[in-house]
Amino acid sequence: QSALTQPRSVSGSPGQSVTISCTGTSSDVGSYNYISWYQQHPGKAPKLMIYDVTKRPSGVPDRFSGSKSGNTASLTISGLQAEDEADYYCYSYAGSYTYVFGTGTKVTVL
Amino acid sequence: QVQLVQSGAEVMQPGASVKVSCKASGYTFTSYYIHWVRQAPGQGLEWVGIVNPSGGTTSYAQKFQGKVTMTRDTSTSTVYMELSSLRSDDAAVYYCARLFTGGLDSWGQGTLVTVSS
Repeated sequence: QSALTQPRSVSGSPGQSVTISCTGTSSDVGSYNYISWYQQHPGKAPKLMIYDVTKRPSGVPDRFSGSKSGNTASLTISGLQAEDEADYYCYSYAGSYTYVFGTGTKVTVL
Repeated sequence: QVQLVQSGAEVMQPGASVKVSCKASGYTFTSYYIHWVRQAPGQGLEWVGIVNPSGGTTSYAQKFQGKVTMTRDTSTSTVYMELSSLRSDDAAVYYCARLFTGGLDSWGQGTLVTVSS
């Protein structure tokens, strides 16, 4: 159960788009559409941003979108805003009632 | 509204055990699995395990097998996570979270476990 691989950091100016990748294997990301993404501000609990690869919970801005191709899932933040600066984690089902998180990505708004 | 309220911070000696609680309210307790997630200081999120509040079945990350035990009490809508033989590298914030459809939609506030002699 190795962690999914994410870039350590990504950055963008306000209004720009950034994309965070989440690379797993054919045993986790590649096999299931139970991919979710979480935003975490310092000292706070994580917040669900995307589930089932592409779905947004009520209240999450439509600037946040998810996708998947093969063993890699992605989170795109369009129209980047200052409050989007946070850590982001992907999360995947890995079979047999096990799950795995990504390594985490720090998003910086320049 | 859905709420998960965890027990308070703990300071434990190496080798001891600690039991963290997570009390659910605002929904049917037995209808949704509960996950436990660990976050060591300055580190990322790590999946610890899952408990089915309905039947009590559990699944743990390989790394935590033999270290963690998850249980539930349906009479109080509470799930528990017990960590045994604590070491310094078990020091972390531990979160419980509800699995709703395909994501963890509600989280506890976190419980800080400190391991120190």
